This record gives sequence, C-alpha cells and structure tokens, in this order.
Amino acid sequence: EADIYQTPRYLVIGTGKKITLECSQTMGHDKMYWYQQDPGMELHLIHYSYGVNSTEKGDLSSESTVSRIRTEHFPLTLESARPSHTSQYLCASSEVLGGKETQYFGPGTRLLVL
Amino acid sequence: DAKTTQPTSMDCAEGRAANLPCNHSTISGNEYVYWYRQIHSQGPQYIIHGLKNNETNEMASLIITEDRKSSTLILPHATLRDTAVYYCIVRVAGYTGNQFYFGTGTSLTVIP
Repeated sequence: EADIYQTPRYLVIGTGKKITLECSQTMGHDKMYWYQQDPGMELHLIHYSYGVNSTEKGDLSSESTVSRIRTEHFPLTLESARPSHTSQYLCASSEVLGGKETQYFGPGTRLLVL
Repeated sequence: DAKTTQPTSMDCAEGRAANLPCNHSTISGNEYVYWYRQIHSQGPQYIIHGLKNNETNEMASLIITEDRKSSTLILPHATLRDTAVYYCIVRVAGYTGNQFYFGTGTSLTVIP
C-alpha cells in the first residue's frame, strides 16, 4: 500500500490569499493526480503528472497550477483564492505492475474560502 | 476507456453479503475492472481489480461475467464501516491518454 500525504487537512482562508496544498508520496510513483470533489459529488480530475517536469490539465478546468520538481512532491497552488474554490482536494499517485495500474489516494484537503 | 453503469444506491443488512453490480458493456479486451470505495470525507480506497478471472482478497470478491460486460463486487459480511460510495472503473493500465473516471458510484448503506 502506498503512503501518500496531504497537508493541510483543513484550511480556512480569506479571499485573495495565495495558498499551496501539499502532496507527497514515498513510493517512488511516477504518476500523480489532483482531483476536486464537492460534497456528495463526483471526483473531477484537475491536474496530473507523468513524472518530474511533466504536468497536464485534467478534465475539469481549474484556476490552480501544479509543479513536479521532484518525484515525491506534487504541490497545487491557488494564486488568489475565491469562495468558488471551496471544495475538497484529493491527491493520488499510481503504480503500474504487471500491466495493472492502481491509484492510491491521500486523505484530502478541505478548503474553505471566505 | 469504457464507461460504467451502477445503481445510485443500495441498502444491505449488517452481517449479510452486499452484492454491488456494475455494467461495462463496452469494455475492451485490455481494460481491467477496478473497484474503489470512498467513506465519507476520506480519499477513495482501492478494493480490488481483475481482468477476466474472479478475484478475492481480504476485503472483497470480484465476479466478472464470462463476456466481461458486467461484474459484481461482493462484501461477504457487511459491517457498518462498509457504508460508503463504491466506484466501478474500467481502465487500460498505464494508458496516458485517459485517466481514471470515477463517476457517481453506488452509495451503499449498511443497516444495523
């Protein structure tokens, strides 16, 4: 089982602030993902990465940005938080073994923008 | 990747088997069937996956029909802690063009 960590777990912040959500995994997985999920709703992929220096936008348009300077670290940044950014943000990484790919998720960050 | 169809919600009595169906009629030969679950306010958790053969692990069993157009996740003795949203996903391993699509899943409620 993968070890994947997200900090902070909960964040309440005012409009206009810059925030960075941290995600780290210790399993050396190349692929990492960020999902956004509102309560009771689907997960929406907002960013993913195939490896160091690789970042791609997901299916859901997002005003956030990501970086992948190190394999184990995939932070997500909001330059100017707005109430519409209030949501849960889930980070995941995946491994491919024997032709099978499995995703492992972090505990999530619940963001509230006032 | 093929899309899946699952019932929106199901109930199951505590201690009984929970059988969660999933239709994936457009699945292709190299797509695996994955099951994840998400307990309220937590990240999704991997349960099991398979290609053609039935699979069993410490959490659940996965039954895939011979034509692979549908599958059933079985929780043999459901407990209250199994109350969660269960997602059935089909996916080609490692394919960079598409990613995991979780959909709306089945909300399973285990009743005391």
